[in-house]
This record gives sequence, C-alpha cells and structure tokens, in this order.
Amino acid sequence: KNQVEQSPQSLIILEGKNCTLQCNYTVSPFSNLRWYKQDTGRGPVSLTIMTFSENTKSNGRYTATLDADTKQSSLHITASQLSDSASYICVVSGGEGRRALTFGSGTRLQVQP
Amino acid sequence: DTGVSQDPRHKITKRGQNVTFRCDPISEHNRLYWYRQTLGQGPEFLTYFQNEAQLEKSRLLSDRFSAERPKGSFSTLEIQRTEQGDSAMYLCASSFSSTGGFYEQYFGPGTRLTVT
Repeated sequence: KNQVEQSPQSLIILEGKNCTLQCNYTVSPFSNLRWYKQDTGRGPVSLTIMTFSENTKSNGRYTATLDADTKQSSLHITASQLSDSASYICVVSGGEGRRALTFGSGTRLQVQP
Repeated sequence: DTGVSQDPRHKITKRGQNVTFRCDPISEHNRLYWYRQTLGQGPEFLTYFQNEAQLEKSRLLSDRFSAERPKGSFSTLEIQRTEQGDSAMYLCASSFSSTGGFYEQYFGPGTRLTVT
C-alpha cells in the first residue's frame, strides 16, 4: 500500500531557530516528491519538487533533501519566522495507476516569538 | 486573481440535505482534481478529470458523491444525503499535463463543509 509518513506530528520552535521535518514513503513506482506548506484554512502551496535524480533543492530558507534509496526526505527551515507557522505536508507522486498524489498527514509547525 | 477558485468557501448543512461545490481551475489547465481533508490529516484523493473525462475515482467516493466537468473547464462536486462524516475541507487542484511532462498541482482555498 502506498504510504507517506511524517514526523514529528507537531513542533514548536522559537523564532530565528532552525528545524528539520522528516518524511518516509513507500510509494512505488516513484516519480517525484513534493513539500507543501498549508496555512490554516487555506489550500496547500508547493515549496519544492524533486525527482529521484535530485537529492537536494532549495527555495529561500527552505531546503529539501531526498534519498531515493532509503525512501526518505527532509525539509530544513533556516532562521524561522512567525509566518512559517503552518502545516508542512510531504507528497509523493507516482503510485502505480495513479495520476494524483499520496499525501502525508503533515507536521504542524508553530514558531513562537 | 488567476489561481484556482472554489465556491462556497464555507457551507453548513443539515444531515440528509444535498450540497454542491464548484471549482474553477486555472484557465489553461487540462487536469482537475478533488481531494478531501479532515482535521489534522493530509488531503485524500477523491477523483480527477482530464478535460471533461473523469479518469479515476477513489474508493472514498461513495455512491452519494458525484463529480462533473461538463465542458472541461469548471467542475462541480455534489454530495447527496449528507452525513456527519462528510464534514471536511474539500480541496480542488488543477494542473497542465503533457506527455512525459512533470506537472505541478495548484490548489484552491477549499470549501469547508459542516454537516449538523
């Protein structure tokens, strides 16, 4: 069964600190992995997309890594800001016969002043 | 605003009533997806269209759910005889796909349904 698991479930950090979110997946075949940011009550917004041949991609203060051999990804947030408070969802594409995406449950990040 | 739009943003209905949601995708996008998201969970795939053809439906899409995209542009999702378990955020996304292409899905703001 295609699954995406994320950890931790929730995280509280102080403004200015760094953090790393984890994602493990069992989706096969694998096409690409995405990280989305979802603010409360809003739709998800894409942060990064990586194929199996890419092992790191940055978008400003967000850096995603991918290890296709161990089927793990991480999202590192540098110098956190209050506006980073949101859910971060790991999404994997490529499940057999599926055009849509397999979503993780997300990590809820709260950045405190 | 040229993004994906959804209407209404919020809907409160009584159990047993029918509800219909609308999604307007980004104009040049040929694929349109519906997802359902419950509190604290990631979105779950319901169905998707390529142009006007509904190409895949999840097992989550019971007989009470029906989706249409009659002219390959906007789409509607109808839930008949709503149940309290239908309470969720219903998200629409659209993308442009081409053969061998690598597509990005853009999400709308969602419709939050509350069944009382």
